Amino acid sequence: DGGITQSPKYLFRKEGQNVTLSCEQNLNHDAMYWYRQDPGQGLRLIYYSQIVNDFQKGDIAEGYSVSREKKESFPLTVTSAQKNPTAFYLCASSSFREGLNEQFFGPGTRLTVL
Amino acid sequence: QKEVEQNSGPLSVPEGAIASLNCTYSDRVSQSFFWYRQYSGKSPELIMSIYSNGDKEDGRFTAQLNKASQYVSLLIRDSQPSDSATYLCAVNRETNAGKSTFGDGTTLTVKP
Repeated sequence: DGGITQSPKYLFRKEGQNVTLSCEQNLNHDAMYWYRQDPGQGLRLIYYSQIVNDFQKGDIAEGYSVSREKKESFPLTVTSAQKNPTAFYLCASSSFREGLNEQFFGPGTRLTVL
Repeated sequence: QKEVEQNSGPLSVPEGAIASLNCTYSDRVSQSFFWYRQYSGKSPELIMSIYSNGDKEDGRFTAQLNKASQYVSLLIRDSQPSDSATYLCAVNRETNAGKSTFGDGTTLTVKP
């Protein structure tokens, strides 16, 4: 059963804490992405990785960090430097084979700062 | 100007009608185009991809691409209440690599 999993589904954080969101895929996709979605708005790219041990900043990378040590995993850390982290976080992956780069999304993690 | 612009909506159509969703993009070298459906509180789901000018049909959905005019549209025929969702347009500069840029979405409501 292939797909993308994200955990936890809901996460509550106190101000000043770092938290890590998990994203795992078993689709054998090369690229993985993290997006943030605020209520009533579109997706904003935080970080993306097209190959293991390499990643690039997206449009809103400040206050976030990532790693890509394995092809299957792309965890996102929301640091205390992120001033307004309450949002819906979405992980996606895509394959570049056969000229396709369609992205497939995980179920998301809702982060709330208390 | 945003890189990808969509009608802000909301768009409301009666059940059985055709819903038309539009998207324009600013980067003339864009190569690949996608439509995603997002139900409230859920993650986006890919429903159509299109790479060359013209129409692409899949069931009740038709994607239309016009690179000269830099727009891509999605038509939903015989709209059903279950089609009520936010539709996101995404554009990629490359065919086999790179990141996509998303529009803010158009919310569609299909009234029974």
